[in-house]
Amino acid sequence: AQKITQTQPGMFVQEKEAVTLDCTYDTSDQSYGLFWYKQPSSGEMIFLIYQGSYDEQNATEGRYSLNFQKARKSANLVISASQLGDSAMYFCAMRGRLSYNTDKLIFGTGTRLQVFP
Amino acid sequence: DTAVSQTPKYLVTQMGNDKSIKCEQNLGHDTMYWYKQDSKKFLKIMFSYNNKELIINETVPNRFSPKSPDKAHLNLHINSLELGDSAVYFCASSQDLLGAYEQYFGPGTRLTVT
Repeated sequence: AQKITQTQPGMFVQEKEAVTLDCTYDTSDQSYGLFWYKQPSSGEMIFLIYQGSYDEQNATEGRYSLNFQKARKSANLVISASQLGDSAMYFCAMRGRLSYNTDKLIFGTGTRLQVFP
Repeated sequence: DTAVSQTPKYLVTQMGNDKSIKCEQNLGHDTMYWYKQDSKKFLKIMFSYNNKELIINETVPNRFSPKSPDKAHLNLHINSLELGDSAVYFCASSQDLLGAYEQYFGPGTRLTVT
């Protein structure tokens, strides 16, 4: 069964510090993808970063980087130089194979990040 | 320009009523989805359509019926609304069903059933 686990319901970080949000996954697929989305209090879902299972380099997008450890089945999100606007819910998601022609996204339960001055 | 739009943003209705949520994307994507986010913020896929064809139909009560009149639109009709249907419903789109394509989400529709 495919599963995404986010064990941190809430995290606090001081402005300008780095923070790591944990995500572990379980899949028997050889090809899969891992995504992180941000959901601010306004409610929209914002795509942050993607890592493919065959990508050798860790993905980076600006202040976001994905610490991908395939053997440990973890895909942690690292936010560097936190800003007050980073306060939000963060969801890890995995693209899993449903059938030969269909993938679907499976979401974790989310981590609420609060950045304080 | 809004990439994925949904209407209405808020919907308050009584049990037993029928309601619809509309979704439109202007990204030229082939695939569209409906997700439900419950009160604990858990997001779960309900349906996906690819080129107007239903591809994924998760274990959703048949009171929920999606309709895709064309590739750019995916509407969700809900019959005989129940209290447990209260949630935020997100529409999303992606370039294709397969591959490393991120999904772009609409702003969500907060449905409250009283």
